[in-house]
Amino acid sequence: GQQLNQSPQSMFIQEGEDVSMNCTSSSIFNTWLWYKQEPGEGPVLLIALYKAGELTSNGRLTAQFGITRKDSFLNISASIPSDVGIYFCAGHIRGKSTFGDGTTLTVKP
Amino acid sequence: GAVVSQHPSRVICKSGTSVKIECRSLDFQATTMFWYRQFPKQSLMLMATSNEGSKATYEQGVEKDKFLINHASLTLSTLTVTSAHPEDSSFYICSATDRANTEAFFGQGTRLTVV
Repeated sequence: GQQLNQSPQSMFIQEGEDVSMNCTSSSIFNTWLWYKQEPGEGPVLLIALYKAGELTSNGRLTAQFGITRKDSFLNISASIPSDVGIYFCAGHIRGKSTFGDGTTLTVKP
Repeated sequence: GAVVSQHPSRVICKSGTSVKIECRSLDFQATTMFWYRQFPKQSLMLMATSNEGSKATYEQGVEKDKFLINHASLTLSTLTVTSAHPEDSSFYICSATDRANTEAFFGQGTRLTVV
């Protein structure tokens, strides 16, 4: 099946720093999705990308859908303590999502 | 975004019993619902895909007789873990998509503990 490589696996940053994470795949997707999951909760959709090359922002979050449709990145600017959690990318095609392994973000005040 | 409600959020059951988990789309018609399983510090693993009114499609390695899925209406899918064992303890999450199938919205998840 399709697989996504998400990196980095974890990040430890200082409050105020910018964060960047990305996902790559050997297969193309029609939609790229970025989710955040907090302990004991289901993932919450942050940003959805629908077109190759699309760059979308949601507050301090910016994500891009790669031109080849095989990759995507998520940037978080000026991180704050409540940004902690696990961030998952997901590629979506034919109604099915494939998830990356997640990036665990820790923000030190 | 669209709202998906999953119930219960936590359940503890005895080994050998069955547990039913519900997933409801509250403000849209979910033509397709997905069931995932997540072990601690791991990603979500797709267990099965269910389309309203038809049999679920199970991923390789998932026992369909153990994890019974019913999607009888456009707003409700259920996952029943039959004859649960401690190794079935996990976090189970559903997601739902509408006819456009471009995004998936997740329920809150169910923490199942089998003792």
